[in-house]
Amino acid sequence: GAVVSQHPSRVICKSGTSVKIECRSLDFQATTMFWYRQFPKQSLMLMATSNEGSKATYEQGVEKDKFLINHASLTLSTLTVTSAHPEDSSFYICSASYSGGANEQFFGPGTRLTVL
Amino acid sequence: DAKTTQPPSMDCAEGRAANLPCNHSTISGNEYVYWYRQIHSQGPQYIIHGLKNNETNEMASLIITEDRKSSTLILPHATLRDTAVYYCIVRVAGGNQGGKLIFGQGTELSVKP
Repeated sequence: GAVVSQHPSRVICKSGTSVKIECRSLDFQATTMFWYRQFPKQSLMLMATSNEGSKATYEQGVEKDKFLINHASLTLSTLTVTSAHPEDSSFYICSASYSGGANEQFFGPGTRLTVL
Repeated sequence: DAKTTQPPSMDCAEGRAANLPCNHSTISGNEYVYWYRQIHSQGPQYIIHGLKNNETNEMASLIITEDRKSSTLILPHATLRDTAVYYCIVRVAGGNQGGKLIFGQGTELSVKP
């Protein structure tokens, strides 16, 4: 149980275009979803936290107008990188948790974004 | 959330126990200790968590000191597939954000044949 999927697993796009990444909880209802970014040889950096049906809470330094997050249902959150540039190339990882217990987070497999 | 300190890297022989230390001297009474690992180019994988007592599951054991200022993750019989970056994180469980995880640099464990 507690499986999280991401789509696509890899995406290559041209500079200036927008890219949407989907995160789905397959066998549970995720009350909260998180989005992380990881650059090569670095640790995961939390970008934002989203609760179903409400606006995402962004970490300091993360531009909310550039990284649009929609958590429309209890099983789906999307991250849209708008007007992507080469410096946005990174590994984007989502996680999901459900209320109750110690709120473990279950991570997706990640999406490798390359902006040319 | 409290910060953690881990050694940047460790080696372990295949089949032997891997003991990964973590210091969290500023941990609060309501913060849990969580361990995750990340195999290269994959999402992190939950391993184990605990509050005060030692915990064991099919993957590992977690030993938390009585003062809760440090802990050790034990992989009893390390295999080559256990080669990964291991993250020790302390956080409050629950709350309206579900307790966000703040990742440090972790320990890069290399299991060698």
